[in-house]
Amino acid sequence: TQLLEQSPQFLSIQEGENLTVYCNSSSVFSSLQWYRQEPGEGPVLLVTVVTGGEVKKLKRLTFQFGDARKDSSLHITAAQPGDTGLYLCAPWGGGYQKVTFGIGTKLQVIP
Amino acid sequence: ETGVTQTPRHLVMGMTNKKSLKCEQHLGHNAMYWYKQSAKKPLELMFVYNFKEQTENNSVPSRFSPECPNSSHLFLHLHTLQPEDSALYLCASSQDRYGINEQFFGPGTRLTVL
Repeated sequence: TQLLEQSPQFLSIQEGENLTVYCNSSSVFSSLQWYRQEPGEGPVLLVTVVTGGEVKKLKRLTFQFGDARKDSSLHITAAQPGDTGLYLCAPWGGGYQKVTFGIGTKLQVIP
Repeated sequence: ETGVTQTPRHLVMGMTNKKSLKCEQHLGHNAMYWYKQSAKKPLELMFVYNFKEQTENNSVPSRFSPECPNSSHLFLHLHTLQPEDSALYLCASSQDRYGINEQFFGPGTRLTVL
């Protein structure tokens, strides 16, 4: 059974600050997704990373897949209140394995 | 709007009631999922349907009964639930069951069992 950890579990910051959240595991993954879930809604896909060491940018969000493909990070620059939500990492082990979800990081950006 | 709708959005039921949750996707996808989201726990996959066939049941108690009459509709029939079943129930769909396809989620049904 793979152990999947997301940290921190809760984060409250002021608008304009930078932050990084992490997704770590003891297992190697084929690829990994990040989803954001806003209050009262279901999760929405932000990005999929598939190559070790890969970096993807989505406006102020930067996603990195670790070289060993066991971990990933999400960095937000100049956070805005609209970034508030639950950030879920969802790795996939490949083959017929199902996608699993981490517990998430709950981010609150205060205006 | 993700193309996946769920009804009702909120449901309060007693332990002896029978109710059903409905999910509909307008994306032409072949796989549909039920997840349970509780506080302080990861999203728990309950059931997976691929081309209308159930391909996964993650040891879900029999008081939860899924039904997939066609690729666009998914139901979760509830009976004799327990208070610990109170949670957000999310439906999702994807192109198919395999690989790391994007999952499109509905807004969820907030269920409270009294």
